[in-house]
Amino acid sequence: DIQMTQSPSSLSASVGDRVTITCRASQGIRNDLGWYQQKPGKAPKHLIYAASSLQSGVPSRFSGSGSGTEFTLTISSLQPEDFATYYCLQHNSYPLTFGGGTKVEIK
Amino acid sequence: EVQLVESGGGLVQPGGSLRLSCAASGFTLSDHYMDWVRQTPGKGLEWVGRTRDKVNSYTTEYAASVKGRFTISRDDSKNSLSLQMNSLKTEDTAVYYCARDLFVGGSYYFDYWGQGTLVTVSS
Repeated sequence: DIQMTQSPSSLSASVGDRVTITCRASQGIRNDLGWYQQKPGKAPKHLIYAASSLQSGVPSRFSGSGSGTEFTLTISSLQPEDFATYYCLQHNSYPLTFGGGTKVEIK
Repeated sequence: EVQLVESGGGLVQPGGSLRLSCAASGFTLSDHYMDWVRQTPGKGLEWVGRTRDKVNSYTTEYAASVKGRFTISRDDSKNSLSLQMNSLKTEDTAVYYCARDLFVGGSYYFDYWGQGTLVTVSS
């Protein structure tokens, strides 16, 4: 199985900050990686596919990069509605595997 | 508007069975891969399994933790997806989500999710 190691597990940031979350795959997954945002009590929401492509309707302050084993999700200017938990998910091979999540909290 | 609505969750004893349903609307179920994902209380997300679309003969894939115990099926005439869970264990306690797959960028991604249904396995 491909292990997805996400870091940090949590972070505190202020509105307007630039935030970067990293996901590392235990083996190469090309660019078969998605990012999802989850707010408490809600289902996850799809943000990014193919490592760097923005899902329709997602604000442009979100961006993704990476290929192979190293991936990042960046929020260029954190907004109040962005406080949530973020997960990466590799779609390259079965079983599909999620990262452990990064909780973005208000500083 | 695409909607997914899960139902069927509840309290079940270890060793018991439960069947979850996911009612889909706003799209044709047979055209899409569909997945089940679960989330243990206060913890992260775990992929449970997938059913491919009609073109791919509705074949399935499962996580090792549920293989042989869980079965994904669909009734396209009712636009409905099901997850039959047998031999349930306490560690199967979780919120179960169904998710629709979108093929884009060379792979499948979960573009719509249901609101989830809670399954509690306890004596």
